Amino acid sequence: AQSVTQPDIHITVSEGASLELRCNYSYGATPYLFWYVQSPGQGLQLLLKYFSGDTLVQGIKGFEAEFKRSQSSFNLRKPSVHWSDAAEYFCAVGIPNRDDKIIFGKGTRLHILP
Amino acid sequence: GAGVSQTPSNKVTEKGKYVELRCDPISGHTALYWYRQSLGQGPEFLIYFQGTGAADDSGLPNDRFFAVRPEGSVSTLKIQRTERGDSAVYLCASSAAGGSHEQYFGPGTRLTVT
Repeated sequence: AQSVTQPDIHITVSEGASLELRCNYSYGATPYLFWYVQSPGQGLQLLLKYFSGDTLVQGIKGFEAEFKRSQSSFNLRKPSVHWSDAAEYFCAVGIPNRDDKIIFGKGTRLHILP
Repeated sequence: GAGVSQTPSNKVTEKGKYVELRCDPISGHTALYWYRQSLGQGPEFLIYFQGTGAADDSGLPNDRFFAVRPEGSVSTLKIQRTERGDSAVYLCASSAAGGSHEQYFGPGTRLTVT
């Protein structure tokens, strides 16, 4: 069964600094990979997804993620964070070509220092 | 267009009572998912519908939980004999099917069992 690990429960960065949130997955092949963001009181919003092809994926709000098969990782990055990026970020995996559940990590809460 | 809507947004109930949570998916989406998010955790899969039928209910924790989608659109999650451990945010998502996994989430229903 697939699983997702987000090793950092909390991350604090200064506004304007770069960001990297880590995600590792466990699955026998290449899964579909997702990053979602959840702001306080808001629903989950899809930031970006990887299905196949180019391993560097661009998303909304200036985020990108890189799929590294050798490391079973899909880390999320942003070159310069804004105070509005403070939120909970979830990495998730899905089985390709199946309308099926996706499995979420436990999340990383991002705090931004002014 | 309208996104996924969930009602009520908040529900407080006493231990032992019965509750129903409603999900209105995006119009035309054939796949519908229920997830449960406990405090400090990522969403956990409960059940997935394709049309009117439950394609995967492996995430339902026990037989107190049941969900229906009688006309292939609106879904209701039903919890009998609620327990304090059922307190969580219940999330609904829908997708247009086709294996893309592009799930769109509603804002959730926060259930508190006292």
